[in-house]
Amino acid sequence: EEQLAESGGGLVQPGGSLRLSCVASGFTFSGYWMSWLRQPPGKGLEWVANIKYDGSDKYYVESVRGRFTISKDNGKSSLYLQMNRLRADDTAVYYCARADNHGWNAWGQGTLVTVSS
Amino acid sequence: QSALTQPASVSGSPGQSITISCTGSSHDVGTYDLVSWYQQYPGKAPKLIIYEVFKRPSGVSSRFSGSKSGNTASLTISGLQAEDEADYYCCSYAASVTYVFGGGTKVTVL
Repeated sequence: EEQLAESGGGLVQPGGSLRLSCVASGFTFSGYWMSWLRQPPGKGLEWVANIKYDGSDKYYVESVRGRFTISKDNGKSSLYLQMNRLRADDTAVYYCARADNHGWNAWGQGTLVTVSS
Repeated sequence: QSALTQPASVSGSPGQSITISCTGSSHDVGTYDLVSWYQQYPGKAPKLIIYEVFKRPSGVSSRFSGSKSGNTASLTISGLQAEDEADYYCCSYAASVTYVFGGGTKVTVL
């Protein structure tokens, strides 16, 4: 069974940093593009970033470009999101997800990031 | 990137069919046949129910169907059931490996 498990969320002050992790199991992680998506409390979904299966190409939504970095360690079946210069509007549940045919067919349970002083 | 437009809520009685619209632009829905739909229950992760406009992942009920005309994609749920009460989100590819979501539609089964 395909599984994704995020960790690393928490409370951080504006301007601070946080690193999210996602461990994958049940599928060949190295063969898939992976994504981070987020959902502010009570609001809709937003795509945040994509990374190519081999980690060679990365893409970001405009609002996080230059502040967030997505990375992938195929040897550890792990996906990461380094988040710097965090803002209040980055507060959300962050999901890692496997990209399939321009959709996301496997999701983690999500990890909550709260940016507040 | 502008969000896709979905109705905030749609309701129907058990057994009826409902349709949720998802309106974008020529920069996303109108150009790419890469629209996906997600079902989300409160406190749970989204679930993919439609990809590439009309395709269903394995295990998804045939009561869910997708279509597209111009800049608008649609999700139809036929034979509405109580378990279909959830939030539904559309998403479209929007060039240069970026994606845009709709604001979500709450489906209520009366």
